[in-house]
Amino acid sequence: RKEVEQDPGPFNVPEGATVAFNCTYSNSASQSFFWYRQDCRKEPKLLMSVYSSGNEDGRFTAQLNRASQYISLLIRDSKLSDSATYLCVVNRESNFNKFYFGSGTKLNVKP
Amino acid sequence: EAGVVQSPRYKIIEKKQPVAFWCNPISGHNTLYWYLQNLGQGPELLIRYENEEAVDDSQLPKDRFSAERLKGVDSTLKIQPAELGDSAVYLCASSLYGLESTDTQYFGPGTRLTVL
Repeated sequence: RKEVEQDPGPFNVPEGATVAFNCTYSNSASQSFFWYRQDCRKEPKLLMSVYSSGNEDGRFTAQLNRASQYISLLIRDSKLSDSATYLCVVNRESNFNKFYFGSGTKLNVKP
Repeated sequence: EAGVVQSPRYKIIEKKQPVAFWCNPISGHNTLYWYLQNLGQGPELLIRYENEEAVDDSQLPKDRFSAERLKGVDSTLKIQPAELGDSAVYLCASSLYGLESTDTQYFGPGTRLTVL
């Protein structure tokens, strides 16, 4: 079983829509969680960290559910510029502080 | 502030040839990572350095891959000999400490390797 699993998509949504992605992780010892954004043929860039209490950054909201071992990303009022692949990242300090990346969920925002 | 620098950006070689990638992390970052990313997949860790020490190389195919970070700053990843299946993007990342789970990784633009 993979450490981190994501729906590859693509999610095709119109501008202004709200879209949500989930990501599940297999190891309950995972301690830190992140969403990265990766544009086509570019490097991943940190979008936001995910805190236990949930956190919001503008149109983006991240939630963590430790009991069910998943994290989510909600994007409100989608923009064309939100089109990208969103990578879920999980970290375990017990394993040399190793970061595990999901395969990514592709989002296409259409005019 | 300069980000993570990688060179070359693109490399095309024939199988069985050697190839080397170079990475210069963000100034002051102690931790350096080399990842491999195949199309449609997330990055997979090859090796992680804390200063000049390789603290996690469990995923590095040591029969053909090698890496070094001699002075704890820039790093080189080498493949010898390259195989067709090595075609991928090789990403370098750095972070300030690496010992804290909340540490942010910053990625370089990657080297896109094509093995013919």
